[in-house]
Amino acid sequence: EADIYQTPRYLVIGTGKKITLECSQTMGHDKMYWYQQDPGMELHLIHYSYGVNSTEKGDLSSESTVSRIRTEHFPLTLESARPSHTSQYLCASSEAGVDTQYFGPGTRLTVL
Amino acid sequence: GQNIDQPTEMTATEGAIVQINCTYQTSGFNGLFWYQQHAGEAPTFLSYNVLDGLEEKGRFSSFLSRSKGYSYLLLKELQMKDSASYLCAVRRTGGFKTIFGAGTRLFVKA
Repeated sequence: EADIYQTPRYLVIGTGKKITLECSQTMGHDKMYWYQQDPGMELHLIHYSYGVNSTEKGDLSSESTVSRIRTEHFPLTLESARPSHTSQYLCASSEAGVDTQYFGPGTRLTVL
Repeated sequence: GQNIDQPTEMTATEGAIVQINCTYQTSGFNGLFWYQQHAGEAPTFLSYNVLDGLEEKGRFSSFLSRSKGYSYLLLKELQMKDSASYLCAVRRTGGFKTIFGAGTRLFVKA
């Protein structure tokens, strides 16, 4: 069973607030990812990281930023939340080789 | 470019067999994943194929034909708990790139 955690699980905030979604994994995986997924829709990659101090933007344009200071930690920050950011955010990690991704439980974000 | 096609929805009966197809177009193919995602939950890994042929894992099997850009996931002895979305994902060579399809929502009825 994969050990990857996300907090908070649910978040309701007002427009303009700054928020950070936390993601941690205890498997020692080098690669980590952030996806955005609306209900019933496909996963969209917004950020990924190959390792410490390595971050890249994904296919979906996003106004969020990420950091990777430690292997196990990959937080995502929205400087100024808007209603269009309302979605589910999924964090995942994978080890070198096959790249099977293990997903965290997700954060369901609602911006009012 | 790359493209992954799966049927949007399928319905099957408990105890039956269902086949979920996935076709893809991509450059630098380097493997295909199937994930299961229950409503409101995160995807979980089911199978990985990189060579042609059938991989069997309990009630689930996955098939790949690289020349046809085609894969299927076969679920046998369907159970109600198999009601979920099934995501086909293609891994590409050259750095990070795993592209997810939109998923097939499977409904298992009694």
